[in-house]
Amino acid sequence: AQSVTQLGSHVSVSEGALVLLRCNYSSSVPPYLFWYVQYPNQGLQLLLKYTSAATLVKGINGFEAEFKKSETSFHLTKPSAHMSDAAEYFCAVSGGSGTYKYIFGTGTRLKVLA
Amino acid sequence: GAVVSQHPSWVICKSGTSVKIECRSLDFQATTMFWYRQFPKQSLMLMATSNEGSKATYEQGVEKDKFLINHASLTLSTLTVTSAHPEDSSFYICSARQGTGSSPLHFGNGTRLTVT
Repeated sequence: AQSVTQLGSHVSVSEGALVLLRCNYSSSVPPYLFWYVQYPNQGLQLLLKYTSAATLVKGINGFEAEFKKSETSFHLTKPSAHMSDAAEYFCAVSGGSGTYKYIFGTGTRLKVLA
Repeated sequence: GAVVSQHPSWVICKSGTSVKIECRSLDFQATTMFWYRQFPKQSLMLMATSNEGSKATYEQGVEKDKFLINHASLTLSTLTVTSAHPEDSSFYICSARQGTGSSPLHFGNGTRLTVT
């Protein structure tokens, strides 16, 4: 079975400050991990993905995430927050061959303060 | 690339009527499409998984007779909410994937359904 836990349903940071959104996963098979962003009344947009290559993954809009197997984590970071980063962020896990479902975390709403 | 188009973006219907939502992959062939439902300020709840040419696989607790899914081609899947009731009001999002579990999902922009 697979699961995803996102710690902190709401995160507030000042503009220009570091963004850190936490994601821990549980998987009985080597996982594929993803971060998505959702703006109000829209679908989800892929930020980045980990698929067993480099453990540090760079995505769009300056975001990156590091896969740490020992900590079963895949935290999302951005060095300097912009106002436009305010949105809902979802971490997701998908299994290996034969397991195609995506399991999403409960989401973290990021607020950027001016 | 990898654009998923979902229509309509919003719909208001009367209780007892049926509503069809379309999901199209515009520039790729989707081996699998997924339908999600999202309640306000909550995560996505997977409703069903559909593969082209075969019956959809519904998640536990999702009424297959209520939410009819048809995956007619590699680029089109439809969700029909039959005999809609106010409790069916929600945000429905489709997604499509080309490939296996390592391939990312590409999402439509969602459909806001309001049943009066």
